[in-house]
Amino acid sequence: DTGVSQDPRHKITKRGQNVTFRCDPISEHNRLYWYRQTLGQGPEFLTYFQNEAQLEKSRLLSDRFSAERPKGSFSTLEIQRTEQGDSAMYLCASSLAGLQGEQFFGPGTRLTVL
Amino acid sequence: GESVGLHLPTLSVQEGDNSIINCAYSNSASDYFIWYKQESGKGPQFIIDIRSNMDKRQGQRVTVLLNKTVKHLSLQIAATQPGDSAVYFCAENGSSNTGKLIFGQGTTLQVKP
Repeated sequence: DTGVSQDPRHKITKRGQNVTFRCDPISEHNRLYWYRQTLGQGPEFLTYFQNEAQLEKSRLLSDRFSAERPKGSFSTLEIQRTEQGDSAMYLCASSLAGLQGEQFFGPGTRLTVL
Repeated sequence: GESVGLHLPTLSVQEGDNSIINCAYSNSASDYFIWYKQESGKGPQFIIDIRSNMDKRQGQRVTVLLNKTVKHLSLQIAATQPGDSAVYFCAENGSSNTGKLIFGQGTTLQVKP
């Protein structure tokens, strides 16, 4: 499978715990994006990287959220001190840089905070 | 604030009929628009995109129309099939110097056999 992959697919955690999600983009894509999607809503942009540089962050990305892409390949999204309001689907997408084009999405990680 | 909205939360059509899903966007600076299909439990899947220098683009069984004057985007699906049942989202880029997409709330397409 050469698409975007995410791990884990599901995560259940207790409030206050830290969680980390991983995204592996399509290999030749140098842009990587994180979105959050709650039930019945469209995805909301969180942040994106071009290679290892984090170029844009949404105000939704509070100080409890941090994303990294250390080698310009896979990325991690960490949420510290999780809250029930963090429960959502976290989607990763990747694309080629240059003139804006299609973003290819992964299957998402479903986070449930109890 | 920035938003992309869809006119109808749910659209029900008969198999074989044509479907039209509408979207109103608010940011005049957007120059790239895209339609995604999302099935339950899956990530959004690309359908078709269009840039602001075009007003129509056709794909296989799908057509996207862009009316910049009234900031309106539509997706037409010809000969709708049961496999087309999903939630459809339109998205815009907000401006040309950003990588992000701004999504609307989605329209659920139900195809009746």
